[in-house]
Amino acid sequence: DGGITQSPKYLFRKEGQNVTLSCEQNLNHDAMYWYRQDPGQGLRLIYYSQIVNDFQKGDIAEGYSVSREKKESFPLTVTSAQKNPTAFYLCASSMGRMNTEAFFGQGTRLTVV
Amino acid sequence: GQSLEQPSEVTAVEGAIVQINCTYQTSGFYGLSWYQQHDGGAPTFLSYNGLDGLEETGRFSSFLSRSDSYGYLLLQELQMKDSASYFCAVRPVSGNTPLVFGKGTRLSVIA
Repeated sequence: DGGITQSPKYLFRKEGQNVTLSCEQNLNHDAMYWYRQDPGQGLRLIYYSQIVNDFQKGDIAEGYSVSREKKESFPLTVTSAQKNPTAFYLCASSMGRMNTEAFFGQGTRLTVV
Repeated sequence: GQSLEQPSEVTAVEGAIVQINCTYQTSGFYGLSWYQQHDGGAPTFLSYNGLDGLEETGRFSSFLSRSDSYGYLLLQELQMKDSASYFCAVRPVSGNTPLVFGKGTRLSVIA
């Protein structure tokens, strides 16, 4: 079955440590995205990539980094510079920028203690 | 810039009809999408309006009026499993920005 997979589902880290969230898709989608969701809030865009080896900052990129070395993979690193990293992180993909339907992974809930 | 406004919460009775509104301020976009998200889960695509008018998919319908900068999602014959958050989203034409989401409407279906 085609889909988008995020791992792990729950992640705990100590303050000051970097952590990398995995996102893999086998939908052959060109575009991939990372969103952050806080309780009772909408989805805020962190980074997105429309093609391999290229990515752009979203609205809240500070304290985060990404890479897009393969079409299938778009990992997100939450660095120690991110002041409030505890949140629910959602990865998504779509056929391309013009496409209006995005497919989401099940999310990673990151808790920094 | 783009901004989408939705009511934060709506409560409706099982079997009833509920309408979730989305008003927006954006310079131009390809269409209005709706997503459903259950607690702790992933948002899933529900519907898309590229043109003005009503789109129907089973119990769900979605409407867009570009002249009024307004759209809505209509849920009929409400079921308890429809309790979830619903997000409207647009993909702007200008710039290189992907989907922009509203803050979501939490729908509670009660017996």
